[in-house]
Amino acid sequence: ELKVEQNPLFLSMQEGKNYTIYCNYSTTSDRLYWYRQDPGKSLESLFVLLSNGAVKQEGRLMASLDTKARLSTLHITAAVHDLSATYFCAVDGGKIIFGKGTRLHILP
Amino acid sequence: GAVVSQHPSRVICKSGTSVKIECRSLDFQATTMFWYRQFPKKSLMLMATSNEGSKATYEQGVEKDKFLINHASLTLSTLTVTSAHPEDSSFYICSARDPITQGAFFGQGTRLTVV
Repeated sequence: ELKVEQNPLFLSMQEGKNYTIYCNYSTTSDRLYWYRQDPGKSLESLFVLLSNGAVKQEGRLMASLDTKARLSTLHITAAVHDLSATYFCAVDGGKIIFGKGTRLHILP
Repeated sequence: GAVVSQHPSRVICKSGTSVKIECRSLDFQATTMFWYRQFPKKSLMLMATSNEGSKATYEQGVEKDKFLINHASLTLSTLTVTSAHPEDSSFYICSARDPITQGAFFGQGTRLTVV
């Protein structure tokens, strides 16, 4: 059974700092997604990672996938307050299973 | 990105009534759609996988007779909450996988309140 572990679950950081969110999963998959969710809203697709070694960047966010290690990372560079949200990774092993989410709070 | 439209966005119903939620992929054909439930400040819990033209596959612990899923076309899946009770109140979100990009895109979500 596919399990997805995400950490940290909570993160409070200062603007301008860098940080990384980790997503580990238990069974083989080469499709992984990252989403952002603002309070009371649905999910916004950030990245679709489809192969080992995939790296995608959008603004201050960069995501990577290592299928051999079953690990994906979401790296935040020089955080700004607008990035405060909950971030989810989700692994596609036929059905799409979510991690518990990382609630990110960036202090101005 | 691809667009998935979910309707209604918010619904209040009385206990014992049924509510239907629609999920449409607007610019791609989705052979597979997923239905999730999300409790406040929690992650998304997969309820069922909906395959066009066949019966949905329900996750363990999800009552198939209570949460009826129909995927009659490549662009539409529906979730009907039957005989709703207050404990069914939740945020329900659908997702559709774009077969071209392989991305999974989400509807706006439906906030169901059963009174």
